[in-house]
Amino acid sequence: DADVTQTPRNRITKTGKRIMLECSQTKGHDRMYWYRQDPGLGLRLIYYSFDVKDINKGEISDGYSVSRQAQAKFSLSLESAIPNQTALYFCATSSRAFSYNEQFFGPGTRLTVL
Amino acid sequence: GQQVMQIPQYQHVQEGEDFTTYCNSSTTLSNIQWYKQRPGGHPVFLIQLVKSGEVKKQKRLTFQFGEAKKNSSLHITATQTTDVGTYFCAGPVSAGGTSYGKLTFGQGTILTVHP
Repeated sequence: DADVTQTPRNRITKTGKRIMLECSQTKGHDRMYWYRQDPGLGLRLIYYSFDVKDINKGEISDGYSVSRQAQAKFSLSLESAIPNQTALYFCATSSRAFSYNEQFFGPGTRLTVL
Repeated sequence: GQQVMQIPQYQHVQEGEDFTTYCNSSTTLSNIQWYKQRPGGHPVFLIQLVKSGEVKKQKRLTFQFGEAKKNSSLHITATQTTDVGTYFCAGPVSAGGTSYGKLTFGQGTILTVHP
């Protein structure tokens, strides 16, 4: 969906570096999510936010932090990147107006930590 | 916590063969959703099922929700090369009838179709 954008699309970094992944959406959705995808493990939730002042940890938040700068922007930071954070990262949005919380995903950021 | 298990992890078929992926939840679900991720792409919402025993069809795709609302399946009839990708099921995280506004995804089934 072009309505959910992620930058950068690819990033190679070194162990110990600080990295920020950004997500923007024009859907007007209030809910935003960060997932990581690893082969065989599906999509695992890192953090989620229901509005600018409501941020919650997901199942694998250790080593990550987030910032919801505006309703349309949700950033994910790796304070000190490590190799096992190499993965495909997806941002997703949803709306409380949806009865069943279907989610719309961005194109993903492929992160490699050397 | 809630777990959603999906099998098989991989499925290789010849074009024209049928394909089925199964999803099982450790808890009763209020609904179940299915997503498709094309190779190199992102997950895209396909459908949601809400009612016990519900069956929905999208062309060659048939989705079922179990009577106990703890399992679901996706069946593709006569696969085509355009069906390749990873299929995920996802269930909402909830407790005591309260939804937490987030989903638990299955591990996904990777489908390859040989022409």
